[in-house]
Amino acid sequence: GIQVEQSPPDLILQEGANSTLRCNFSDSVNNLQWFHQNPWGQLINLFYIPSGTKQNGRLSATTVATERYSLLYISSSQTTDSGVYFCAVEEGAPGTSYGKLTFGQGTILTVHP
Amino acid sequence: GAVVSQHPSRVICKSGTSVKIECRSLDFQATTMFWYRQFPKQSLMLMATSNEGSKATYEQGVEKDKFLINHASLTLSTLTVTSAHPEDSSFYICSASGDPNEQFFGPGTRLTVL
Repeated sequence: GIQVEQSPPDLILQEGANSTLRCNFSDSVNNLQWFHQNPWGQLINLFYIPSGTKQNGRLSATTVATERYSLLYISSSQTTDSGVYFCAVEEGAPGTSYGKLTFGQGTILTVHP
Repeated sequence: GAVVSQHPSRVICKSGTSVKIECRSLDFQATTMFWYRQFPKQSLMLMATSNEGSKATYEQGVEKDKFLINHASLTLSTLTVTSAHPEDSSFYICSASGDPNEQFFGPGTRLTVL
């Protein structure tokens, strides 16, 4: 099956700093999503981004499907950004989908005031 | 975004009992729902894919007789952990696919088996 690697595994920032999280995957994908898991365990959808670039407030993401990676950018970080960030992919060629997501191991982000 | 609910959010039970977890898509119809399991400080692992009106498809290594899945309608899937044991203690999360393929997750159920 497809392999998903996230880096870095841990990231500690001061409030206001910017950061980049990376997700590498080993095969073609027809779905890629970024999530933030809050301290209560809820997965919050950040981006659905199988290709291209999207922005939502202080967050943006870019997926380069041909090179098999995606990046999540967090600007002007806040303490509320702390938590675990997951990248998840669905293996397959564009246009085919069974919905099964494979998750990376996550990046634990800690933002200090 | 779409909303998925789960009930209960937390359950503590004795070893040998069965526990049922409900997953509902509140504002959209989901022909497919998914069940994941997450151990502390680990990632999510897919357990099974639940299709409305048909049998669930289980991932390799997941016991289908222990984890019974029923997808009775387009908005409800249930996971029953039968004869639960302490090693079944975990965080169980369901998800449902919206349109086109974006998945939305429930808040999870924390199961503790004593």
